[in-house]
Formats: sequence, structure tokens, C-alpha cells
Amino acid sequence: DTAVSQTPKYLVTQMGNDKSIKCEQNLGHDTMYWYKQDSKKFLKIMFSYNNKELIINETVPNRFSPKSPDKAHLNLHINSLELGDSAVYFCASSQVGPPNEQFFGPGTRLTVL
Amino acid sequence: GQNIDQPTEMTATEGAIVQINCTYQTSGFNGLFWYQQHAGEAPTFLSYNVLDGLEEKGRFSSFLSRSKGYSYLLLKELQMKDSASYLCAVRDSGGYQKVTFGTGTKLQVIP
Repeated sequence: DTAVSQTPKYLVTQMGNDKSIKCEQNLGHDTMYWYKQDSKKFLKIMFSYNNKELIINETVPNRFSPKSPDKAHLNLHINSLELGDSAVYFCASSQVGPPNEQFFGPGTRLTVL
Repeated sequence: GQNIDQPTEMTATEGAIVQINCTYQTSGFNGLFWYQQHAGEAPTFLSYNVLDGLEEKGRFSSFLSRSKGYSYLLLKELQMKDSASYLCAVRDSGGYQKVTFGTGTKLQVIP
């Protein structure tokens, strides 16, 4: 009965490769997010979707492309991986209406060699 | 945009009380959150303040002063398991109500 799940949990890959991370939530929330947490533990918003529509798109390289096939799923595809992409990527979801706190997935630790 | 400041690290003794401060400058405000993040794990929601005052939840309390751009998280009767990072996050009042996280305060509880 996991609320927000992500796969894979760990991802080790070479520079230049393309990889995807998948996220699913079974909480019935309308809004989903992708965050990047770097080595200094700073949690930064990348994208947000509300009911499959992109609503927040921070200054993220075009190599990052989110896709939401339905409101329970939000995937992240990364092209031409670079060393600086190494981080932990968290998916999260929230409901509409206060406090609409975010529920986070377990994270995907991406290491680019 | 948002600018959020928290102390980087704090140390406190088991059984004691600790206060973690957060100050913010924002172009619009619609709520402040505190999250707890244990090493290697995901952040988990602790508290939410949108009006001035104190919100109490068991051993944890959170305070907000909107006029001062200030919040604190108060942890009482500290336990070893409270060793974690505590993230202050502010939601703006724009149409999509983006949440911006501070860099977090790493709390170490010692015996």
C-alpha cells in the first residue's frame, strides 16, 4: 500500500546515456512534482503537473523531459546525461486545498560516471 | 521569488528542547511547512502554518510571524531518533503556488 513509489531506487550510468525514472502515486492526488536534491541536500523543484498538465517548469535543461500519462503517474526522462546530473531525484504528490502538504517517494539516487 | 534561511547545523541533548529558526523573504506568501528528512530517506511532513501563531502537535510545535517573515520549529523531549534534517518550505501565493525549500538544518541529538 505504498503511497508514492519510484523506480528504480538506484541508477548508475555513463555520461551521454539516456535514462528514465518512473513515479506512481495511489493517493488520488491531482498534483505531482519532481525535485532534485544535490550533494548539499538542497531540494529544488524541477517540474509540477496538475491533472496531467504541466504547471511549473523551473530552469531545467531541455535534456529533462517529464511525462504524465495520467494523474497517478509522472515519469522523468533524461537525455545525454552529464556528471552534474548526479543527485537524488524525488517524486512527490499533493492534494488540492490546504494544507496540501507533499508526500514524497523514496527517491532515486542517480550516479553518472 | 523566495529566499529562505535556516542554520546549517545544530546539536542538542537527549531530553532537552531545541528551537530551529527559519526566516524568509517572499514576493507572495501562502503558507509555511516544516518537513523532517532522515539521512538517506524522503522528506516527511511535520507541520503547516498559514496564520500567525503556534501550532502544536505532540512533541513538535511550529510558530509563524508573517509580519517578521519568521518561523520556528520547537522539538521537546528530544529523542535520538529526532536526529535528522529539518526543512523549512514556503508556498507562494501565485497561481500555481510553488513551494520553495530552504537548505535544511541538520540536527544531531547526543546522549
